[in-house]
Amino acid sequence: EVQLVESGGGLVQPGRSLKLSCLASGFTFSNYGMNWIRQAPGKGLEWVASISSSSSYIYYADTVKGRFTISRDNAKNTLYLQMTSLRSEDTALYYCARRTMGIGDYFDYWGQGVMVTVSS
Amino acid sequence: DIQMTQSPASLSASLEEIVTITCQASQDIGNWLAWYQQKPGKSPQLLIYGATSLADGVPSRFSGSRSGTQYSLKISRLQVEDIGIYYCLQAYSAYTFGAGTKLELK
Repeated sequence: EVQLVESGGGLVQPGRSLKLSCLASGFTFSNYGMNWIRQAPGKGLEWVASISSSSSYIYYADTVKGRFTISRDNAKNTLYLQMTSLRSEDTALYYCARRTMGIGDYFDYWGQGVMVTVSS
Repeated sequence: DIQMTQSPASLSASLEEIVTITCQASQDIGNWLAWYQQKPGKSPQLLIYGATSLADGVPSRFSGSRSGTQYSLKISRLQVEDIGIYYCLQAYSAYTFGAGTKLELK
């Protein structure tokens, strides 16, 4: 069974940093691209960042470019999101999601999400 | 950037009714379009990919179609378990979600 479990969220002051983790199991993590997607309270979904299976290709949404860094450790089956210079508008539930394989670039499995609250 | 205009924002329908949700892309995205369902307190679930292909395990009452840059999700006979928020996603250039359609029972 595919499982994605996010951790590392919490309350952080504006301008500070936070690092999220997503532990994957139930599939060969090193074969799949991975993504972070967020959802502000009561709002819709926003793609944040993507990383290819070998970390060769990395993409960011304009809203986080230069502040967030996506990375992965295939030996640990773990995806990361390093967030710096956090703003109130970064407050959201952050999901990690697996990229589909063979059917296009979509997201098939999602974690349960981890909450990040940016507030003084 | 590609914009996805989703409508309606909310929809109230009766059991067994046919429901249609649409997304209009701001430019040609081919068939790089997916539909997701999000139930309250849950993560989104992939319903349709490639504009018209049904994801594994998704009931056949769900279907997707395309007409130019307009994409539609149809639920042929609404069931109680279909209540939730539906999002379209374009995957042609980076990723953009539609704003969502909240589907409720009448």
